[in-house]
Amino acid sequence: GAVVSQHPSWVICKSGTSVKIECRSLDFQATTMFWYRQFPKQSLMLMATSNEGSKATYEQGVEKDKFLINHASLTLSTLTVTSAHPEDSSFYICSAQGDQGETQYFGPGTRLLVL
Amino acid sequence: SQKIEQNSEALNIQEGKTATLTCNYTNYSPAYLQWYRQDPGRGPVFLLLIRENEKEKRKERLKVTFDTTLKQSLFHITASQPADSATYLCALLYSSASKIIFGSGTRLSIRP
Repeated sequence: GAVVSQHPSWVICKSGTSVKIECRSLDFQATTMFWYRQFPKQSLMLMATSNEGSKATYEQGVEKDKFLINHASLTLSTLTVTSAHPEDSSFYICSAQGDQGETQYFGPGTRLLVL
Repeated sequence: SQKIEQNSEALNIQEGKTATLTCNYTNYSPAYLQWYRQDPGRGPVFLLLIRENEKEKRKERLKVTFDTTLKQSLFHITASQPADSATYLCALLYSSASKIIFGSGTRLSIRP
């Protein structure tokens, strides 16, 4: 149980284009989903928290207009990196939390490379 | 602001020995302390959660302790195996449904 998937697992795009990453909770309803970014040999940095049906809460320093988050259902959240630049290249990981709220279950991550 | 320190960036252990990883935090104690395993290029995998009123939690070869006086958690892997080689992350959760604060991780290598 508690499986979270992400799609795509990796993506290469040209600078200036937008990229959408999907995060799905496969066998439970996720009242809250989180988006993280991880640079090589560094820990996970929380970007934003989203609750189903409401606007995401962004961490300080994360541009909400650049990283668009939609949490339209209890099993799906999407992160869109708009007008991507090479410095946006990173490993993006989502997690989902059920209504018990104690544990976050992580997706396998999406590696983004912007050329 | 709250800080977490995992004081070993890397740890090398002989197979069969017990690996002990340390997590220290500042300021006030979290409601929950969690340990995750992360393999290269993969998302973290949840291992164990321990609550502030619990001193010890076990799961198979894993043991976690939580000392709110020392503001420290220890994570033990007994009878370590090369397959246990990974980065282990300590994470603090201050209340249900709140965000997790991650440590920087300890890269554990088990040599045959």
